[in-house]
Amino acid sequence: QKEVEQNSGPLSVPEGAIASLNCTYSDRVSQSFFWYRQYSGKSPELIMSIYSNGDKEDGRFTAQLNKASQYVSLLIRDSQPSDSATYLCAVNNKGGSEKLVFGKGTKLTVNP
Amino acid sequence: GAVVSQHPSWVICKSGTSVKIECRSLDFQATTMFWYRQFPKQSLMLMATSNEGSKATYEQGVEKDKFLINHASLTLSTLTVTSAHPEDSSFYICSAREGPSTDTQYFGPGTRLTVL
Repeated sequence: QKEVEQNSGPLSVPEGAIASLNCTYSDRVSQSFFWYRQYSGKSPELIMSIYSNGDKEDGRFTAQLNKASQYVSLLIRDSQPSDSATYLCAVNNKGGSEKLVFGKGTKLTVNP
Repeated sequence: GAVVSQHPSWVICKSGTSVKIECRSLDFQATTMFWYRQFPKQSLMLMATSNEGSKATYEQGVEKDKFLINHASLTLSTLTVTSAHPEDSSFYICSAREGPSTDTQYFGPGTRLTVL
């Protein structure tokens, strides 16, 4: 059973702090990893993709991947109230299904 | 780039009627589109994978005769909810993948269906 696990939260951080969101996956051959942001009542929006071990930075967002530990994380620096949303981790195994397997999401609240 | 649209954004219908939802990739050709359903405060649930020119692949537990999917062109996929009932009320979201060389999915804005 291919699974993606996330802490459902809620995770609360003060404005300006670093928010750290974590995700683990069970399928060792997974090759592609994505973070989506979903505001309440809206559809998911792609934030970042990461394919190789290490860090990938895009503005205030940094994705970290550790394939040996089957772990992917998202750091949000200088968190803003507008970052308050549910963050979905998604994983794809190119060698198998073309589907993305989504975690249940972590709800983040950034307090002004 | 990579914009996906859905129409309508919301629809209210009577029980027993059919509803068609369109999903379009606006600035790229999508060989594969996906249909998801999301109930309030729950996670995304994949309903089916739609490949252009072929039959959709449905997830276990999803009735293919109730949720008809057509992917007639590289920019359009449709989901028809046939004989809708109140329990079909949900948020339906499509996503599109740019091509076989990428597995990034871009989501449409979703369609909120309410069946009375």
